[in-house]
Amino acid sequence: EVQLVESGGGLVQPGRSLKLSCAASGFTFSNYGMHWIRQAPTKGLEWVASISPSGGSTYYRDSVKGRFTISRDNAKSTLYLQMDSLRSEDTATYYCAVTTEGDYFDYWGQGVMVTVSS
Amino acid sequence: DIRMTQSPASLSASLGETVNIECLASEDIYSDLAWYQQKPGKSPQLLIYNANSLQNGVPSRFSGSGSGTQYSLKINSLQSEDVATYFCQQYNNYPYTFGAGTKLELK
Repeated sequence: EVQLVESGGGLVQPGRSLKLSCAASGFTFSNYGMHWIRQAPTKGLEWVASISPSGGSTYYRDSVKGRFTISRDNAKSTLYLQMDSLRSEDTATYYCAVTTEGDYFDYWGQGVMVTVSS
Repeated sequence: DIRMTQSPASLSASLGETVNIECLASEDIYSDLAWYQQKPGKSPQLLIYNANSLQNGVPSRFSGSGSGTQYSLKINSLQSEDVATYFCQQYNNYPYTFGAGTKLELK
């Protein structure tokens, strides 16, 4: 059974940093692209970043480019999102997701809440 | 960026009714379109991919159709467990983009 478990969320002041983790199990992690998607309170879904199976290619939405870094440790089956220079508009539930067949998100984690506020 | 315009924003329907949700892309996305269901307090779950392929384990009352820029999700014989918010998403080009969602309630 595919499982994705996010951690590392919390309350942080504007301008500070936070690192999210997503522990994966139930599939061969190193074979598949991984992604972060966020959802602001009572809002819709917003793709944040993606990383290729090897980690050699990464993609970001413009609003987080230069502030967020997606990475992965295939030996630990873990995905990361380093978030620097956080802004109030980054407040959201962050989900990790995997694409195993096509580029659609087959499986999602339960999400982790990030609140950016002074 | 490809804009995904989803309609309606909310929908009220009766048990057993058929429901249709539309999604319009700002450019041709070549059927690279997925539909997700999100129940309150839960993470989204994949229903349909490649515009019309049913994800394993999803009830057959859900179906997807469309091509080019116009897509739709159909729910036949609405059940109480279908109360949720539904999102479309294009994966033809980065940045991947979602529709704003359709909140489905029971009448």
